[in-house]
Amino acid sequence: GQQLNQSPQSMFIQEGEDVSMNCTSSSIFNTWLWYKQEPGEGPVLLIALYKAGELTSNGRLTAQFGITRKDSFLNISASIPSDVGIYFCAGQRTGANNLFFGTGTRLTVIP
Amino acid sequence: DAGVTQSPTHLIKTRGQQVTLRCSPKSGHDTVSWYQQALGQGPQFIFQYYEEEERQRGNFPDRFSGHQFPNYSSELNVNALLLGDSALYLCASSVGTATEAFFGQGTRLTVV
Repeated sequence: GQQLNQSPQSMFIQEGEDVSMNCTSSSIFNTWLWYKQEPGEGPVLLIALYKAGELTSNGRLTAQFGITRKDSFLNISASIPSDVGIYFCAGQRTGANNLFFGTGTRLTVIP
Repeated sequence: DAGVTQSPTHLIKTRGQQVTLRCSPKSGHDTVSWYQQALGQGPQFIFQYYEEEERQRGNFPDRFSGHQFPNYSSELNVNALLLGDSALYLCASSVGTATEAFFGQGTRLTVV
């Protein structure tokens, strides 16, 4: 099936630091979404991107839809302990109704 | 406003048995998708229901079937359970063909 690769696989950062993670694919997507999942919970939608080159913010989170439409990036500024969790990218192709999910980036914030 | 709700939250079944999982979509949503999430992996698409019909299906065997009711709630049925079916089953709801999907907390299925 479609593979979305996320990097890094895991991150350990100090509280207050900025975080960057990315998601790459061999195929083109027309929509990118970023989700956060905490233990025992379902994924929570953070940001949705609909156009190549689009840059969208949600509080301390900023995400970009790559120009090639094969990648997306998520940045978190001034991290806090509640940012801990697994961050998933998800893409949707033209004509499809489902989401393809990435492999996830596990974020640990050290107080 | 209730979000997506799933039941039960946890379930233990024996290999070969059948299981039914349930999902109520977010208020105002008419489309329900089911995903399987194995430990340490991202969710994998099983199928999507809209207007009580299966609109799209992922790469899952026929042992996985579903249903959508007139009130938009949905069931996922899995027959002849295998050990490998142990996973978190997630339901997501959306509106029509909109991309933004909102997930429930999931049902943790363990097959022994």
